[in-house]
Amino acid sequence: LAKTTQPISMDSYEGQEVNITCSHNNIATNDYITWYQQFPSQGPRFIIQGYKTKVTNEVASLFIPADRKSSTLSLPRVSLSDTAVYYCLVGEVGTGRRALTFGSGTRLQVQP
Amino acid sequence: DAEITQSPRHKITETGRQVTLACHQTWNHNNMFWYRQDLGHGLRLIHYSYGVQDTNKGEVSDGYSVSRSNTEDLPLTLESAASSQTSVYFCASSEGGVAEETQYFGPGTRLLVL
Repeated sequence: LAKTTQPISMDSYEGQEVNITCSHNNIATNDYITWYQQFPSQGPRFIIQGYKTKVTNEVASLFIPADRKSSTLSLPRVSLSDTAVYYCLVGEVGTGRRALTFGSGTRLQVQP
Repeated sequence: DAEITQSPRHKITETGRQVTLACHQTWNHNNMFWYRQDLGHGLRLIHYSYGVQDTNKGEVSDGYSVSRSNTEDLPLTLESAASSQTSVYFCASSEGGVAEETQYFGPGTRLLVL
């Protein structure tokens, strides 16, 4: 399974854009990149998923360079409620035959 | 609405006892997963299943077992509870076999082994 590396923690202020980068040097051809968000005392919840280039939804954007060895989650204009742990996962989907591995995540603290 | 539930939400047990944590999903998902999360750490995969009668070991499977007799349920059993198994346990499910796949997580079970 592809191993991911992301910063342990990040600090930001309300209204700023936050970019969290994840390294996944040994990503395989069939692997997708998925980001989850976890609040204290809750299970993780899906934020965004992509394979290459850029993906955007109502919550975030995901930037993936051509070599796919890293990815960047972008959260526009964060608020206090975005304080959470963010996990980057790499794993094969499509066939549904491969479990995803969670790393330690990035703890984002948003200040007023 | 479809959902994934876990029971009990909190459990205190003693070392050496057998404990079973329940996980039930109503999405008719093929894939189900069990993770544990220790305080201040990420999630580690214990066991997973890709369908009825299918089970697979994850990265921290020692001391745990699962069985999948139907689509909706994947109970996790601690054969002989140890203090090192004190943790928060999350169950998850996903549809499987689609191009983009999301795991949906339950609310978690807090287990304390004394």
